[in-house]
Amino acid sequence: EAQVTQNPRYLITVTGKKLTVTCSQNMNHEYMSWYRQDPGLGLRQIYYSMNVEVTDKGDVPEGYKVSRKEKRNFPLILESPSPNQTSLYFCASSFGGRSPLHFGNGTRLTVT
Amino acid sequence: DAKTTQPPSMDCAEGRAANLPCNHSTISGNEYVYWYRQIHSQGPQYIIHGLKNNETNEMASLIITEDRKSSTLILPHATLRDTAVYYCIVRVGGWGSGNTGKLIFGQGTTLQVKP
Repeated sequence: EAQVTQNPRYLITVTGKKLTVTCSQNMNHEYMSWYRQDPGLGLRQIYYSMNVEVTDKGDVPEGYKVSRKEKRNFPLILESPSPNQTSLYFCASSFGGRSPLHFGNGTRLTVT
Repeated sequence: DAKTTQPPSMDCAEGRAANLPCNHSTISGNEYVYWYRQIHSQGPQYIIHGLKNNETNEMASLIITEDRKSSTLILPHATLRDTAVYYCIVRVGGWGSGNTGKLIFGQGTTLQVKP
């Protein structure tokens, strides 16, 4: 089944403890992207990648890192999480600019 | 990528057509209009997209004005399960110059379908 898989679905952590949220797609998509969703602010793009080893900043990249070492995986790294990164995170992928985005089921992160 | 403007909320009676507008007055010639919806806190779901012609699929119809500065998503017979947040975005097709990969979703329109 074609899908975008995020792990974990829920994560509670403490300030400053490095964490990684994984994202994997099985559709051979070139494009992958991360979003965060906060009440009243809609979906905001964090980082995106147009292909392996090609990444770029979205609208809210501060405090996040990504890597794209292989086509199927696009992990989101929080080196030193802070409470303002408490949010619902979504990963998405697509073939290119003309094809629809496929979204994962989300990761709800709480930083205390 | 161009920005879109949508009303924050709309109501629709069950069984009636829901018409959701979107303004994208700064759209470029190579940008497609996409519609997604998000039910509760699930991942957004693709509905439909188009460039300049009207489009229809099993879920909805998309009407794009001739000048392409606005569009309307039509759910022909809304059901309670169509209650969701609907997002209109524009996106450059292809990977040529001008496609930065940046996408702006905005806050969308919350559609409430009422019995």
